[in-house]
Amino acid sequence: KQEVTQIPAALSVPEGENLVLNCSFTDSAIYNLQWFRQDPGKGLTSLLLIQSSQREQTSGRLNASLDKSSGRSTLYIAASQPGDSATYLCAVRRETSGSRLTFGEGTQLTVNP
Amino acid sequence: KAGVTQTPRYLIKTRGQQVTLSCSPISGHRSVSWYQQTPGQGLQFLFEYFSETQRNKGNFPGRFSGRQFSNSRSEMNVSTLELGDSALYLCASIRGGSTDTQYFGPGTRLTVL
Repeated sequence: KQEVTQIPAALSVPEGENLVLNCSFTDSAIYNLQWFRQDPGKGLTSLLLIQSSQREQTSGRLNASLDKSSGRSTLYIAASQPGDSATYLCAVRRETSGSRLTFGEGTQLTVNP
Repeated sequence: KAGVTQTPRYLIKTRGQQVTLSCSPISGHRSVSWYQQTPGQGLQFLFEYFSETQRNKGNFPGRFSGRQFSNSRSEMNVSTLELGDSALYLCASIRGGSTDTQYFGPGTRLTVL
């Protein structure tokens, strides 16, 4: 059974700081890993998708890495802004589960002005 | 291009009633997955439909059912509502391949009184 863990559960940083969110998963037989952002009461916004054959993906101030063999991914946010405040979720798609995603519990990020 | 749409956005029902939620995926996407999100359990997979066929099912009671139409729109139905069914119900739209990004709708907030 795939389990996904995110650390820390909550993080509060001052504006401008660089930060790293962590995601670990127990089953390395994955197609890909996707990072999402969720604002309170809203749906999920896809941030980055990393295929199992890739090591990292970048989009603007975001960089996500994947180490499939160790079951770890990190989301790096550079020069954080108050608008980055949200819950960040990682989700893995297993090779044997169709399109099903297994989610972590999320990291609630607060960026203080 | 238009994103994933879910209707209705909010619903209030009483115990014992039934409810139907709708999801229209991104044009050209053939797969739709449904998730339930609650504060205590996080995001949990309900089921997945691909080309009108249920391809995958999560660990939910038979009161939860779904279907997909030929235009890829999907509906999920919950019968005999319980208080614990109060949640944000999210659907994800996927083009269909194993390497595809999954896009989520804004969700339907169901409150059971």
